[in-house]
Amino acid sequence: KNQVEQSPQSLIILEGKNCTLQCNYTVSPFSNLRWYKQDTGRGPVSLTIMTFSENTKSNGRYTATLDADTKQSSLHITASQLSDSASYICVVSAKNTGFQKLVFGTGTRLLVSP
Amino acid sequence: GAGVSQSPSNKVTEKGKDVELRCDPISGHTALYWYRQSLGQGLEFLIYFQGNSAPDKSGLPSDRFSAERTGGSVSTLTIQRTQQEDSAVYLCASSLAAPSGGTYEQYFGPGTRLTVT
Repeated sequence: KNQVEQSPQSLIILEGKNCTLQCNYTVSPFSNLRWYKQDTGRGPVSLTIMTFSENTKSNGRYTATLDADTKQSSLHITASQLSDSASYICVVSAKNTGFQKLVFGTGTRLLVSP
Repeated sequence: GAGVSQSPSNKVTEKGKDVELRCDPISGHTALYWYRQSLGQGLEFLIYFQGNSAPDKSGLPSDRFSAERTGGSVSTLTIQRTQQEDSAVYLCASSLAAPSGGTYEQYFGPGTRLTVT
């Protein structure tokens, strides 16, 4: 069964600190992996998309890594800000005939405190 | 330009009633998706439209759920005879490229929070 698991489930850090969120997946055949940020009451917003051949991608203070061999990904947030408080969702796209279906993790809820 | 919009933002309905949820995708986006986000769960795929046709509706949980898209633009998700387990946030997304090739960006709306009492 295609699954995406994230850890930790929730995390509290002090403003200015760094943190790393983890994602393990069993989706096959693999097409690409995305990280989304979802603020409370809003739809998810894409941070990064990585294909099989990419092992790192950055978007400002967000850096995602991908190890397609071990089926693991991480999202590193540098110098956290209060506005980083949100849910971070790992999403893996399965390559099916004619349609790439997205499989969503349950997310990591991050709270950045002053 | 305008993003994906959904209406209503919140809907409270009595068990057994029918509800219609609306999605306005980004102009020019050919693909449209409906997802459901239940409390503590990841987003769950419901149905995908390419233009006005739905090549994949495998995620619809029962025959009480249906969706249509007209003019390659607006889509409505209809839930008949609502049940309490239908309570969730229903999210719509749209994308520019046909999903059969390469990576493509899905842009999400803010969702409709449905509560069935």
